[in-house]
Amino acid sequence: KNEVEQSPQNLTAQEGEFITINCSYSVGISALHWLQQHPGGGIVSLFMLSSGKKKHGRLIATINIQEKHSSLHITASHPRDSAVYICAVRSSQFYFGTGTSLTVIP
Amino acid sequence: NAGVTQTPKFQVLKTGQSMTLQCAQDMNHNSMYWYRQDPGMGLRLIYYSASEGTTDKGEVPNGYNVSRLNKREFSLRLESAAPSQTSVYFCASMAGVSDTQYFGPGTRLTVL
Repeated sequence: KNEVEQSPQNLTAQEGEFITINCSYSVGISALHWLQQHPGGGIVSLFMLSSGKKKHGRLIATINIQEKHSSLHITASHPRDSAVYICAVRSSQFYFGTGTSLTVIP
Repeated sequence: NAGVTQTPKFQVLKTGQSMTLQCAQDMNHNSMYWYRQDPGMGLRLIYYSASEGTTDKGEVPNGYNVSRLNKREFSLRLESAAPSQTSVYFCASMAGVSDTQYFGPGTRLTVL
């Protein structure tokens, strides 16, 4: 069973497009994290959310606790945004989605 | 600050060999974690340590042991490596339950 489901699995966009990645989860959580994994393998944390919405530059993350759903939006996408985006939830432990592979074409 | 460091970066083992993966953090974080990442499966928690002196099993602990040597260091040991343990291993640390996780660069392990 997958506690965290992400969609889409793969996404290709033209530079400048608005991108949305979705995350649904099935467990009670204390927080939800969005992570970015670079092509070289390194993982960095983008956001931690327990309610509402957060914005950092061109990235926006939202969470709806009642619907157990979160979205990550990228405005004005750029080739440097190409990476795998991973949703993770903190419950009794951390559970991770399988990631969304994003490619932004110039 | 180096953040979270892991050694080695790459390792090839034969079935039955043992090895220890090292992880250290210099951020004075209480919690440390070991994950494995396999294609199509996402990160899975192997073991974690909520504080110095404590360790707990995660989702996939079989075949592994851990030691929280001190607040900085958290090692992962494979006593008798199996091909199913071929994976990329990530160490992470976190200051507190409401904080961001910081990840190490990963160790790519191949067991032949």
